[in-house]
Amino acid sequence: DTAVSQTPKYLVTQMGNDKSIKCEQNLGHDTMYWYKQDSKKFLKIMFSYNNKELIINETVPNRFSPKSPDKAHLNLHINSLELGDSAVYLCASSQGLAGGHHGELFFGEGSRLTVL
Amino acid sequence: GENVEQHPSTLSVQEGDSAVIKCTYSDSASNYFPWYKQELGKRPQLIIDIRSNVGEKKDQRIAVTLNKTAKHFSLHITETQPEDSAVYFCAARVISNFGNEKLTFGTGTRLTIIP
Repeated sequence: DTAVSQTPKYLVTQMGNDKSIKCEQNLGHDTMYWYKQDSKKFLKIMFSYNNKELIINETVPNRFSPKSPDKAHLNLHINSLELGDSAVYLCASSQGLAGGHHGELFFGEGSRLTVL
Repeated sequence: GENVEQHPSTLSVQEGDSAVIKCTYSDSASNYFPWYKQELGKRPQLIIDIRSNVGEKKDQRIAVTLNKTAKHFSLHITETQPEDSAVYFCAARVISNFGNEKLTFGTGTRLTIIP
């Protein structure tokens, strides 16, 4: 059973399009995250939700809009895609906040977005 | 905000030798320091972590040391094996601008074990 699953795994699209990436976790965790990993492998946090509430919102263009319909799901919608949005988007979850008593991050396998 | 620097960015080590990766952090309030390993094409996974009330922690061939005064921590891998080849990320926990805690990751070290 995959603990944190993301779809799609690969996404190739044209500049200007709108796309969504979905994430689901079956670990019963209460906190979920979106990280962006660029071509140099840098891992940067974008958003974090705790019990469906947005708790971390880094300096991300407002073309990126996360949505958490319930604790087990965190989706990412991106409007008006740009070339610089090409990256691997990693979803993660943890019980409590990252680094807390049970704060290990469990990552999904990533969604590789390529904008042409 | 917190800044985590990681060195070296790439490291090649002969199989059986030791590898050391170093990180420094800027926020003295940071109190949790995990290390994640990301194999090629795979997800990052936690391999070891240390909290600020401890100076060293060991798990088989992997050890992490923390110097709070100097604000740096290191990952040590002994008797390296080919399966240790991966990108390693250090991280530090800080308070975010929302007043909540988040992990800031270092820039990663690509470790290659030469057979």
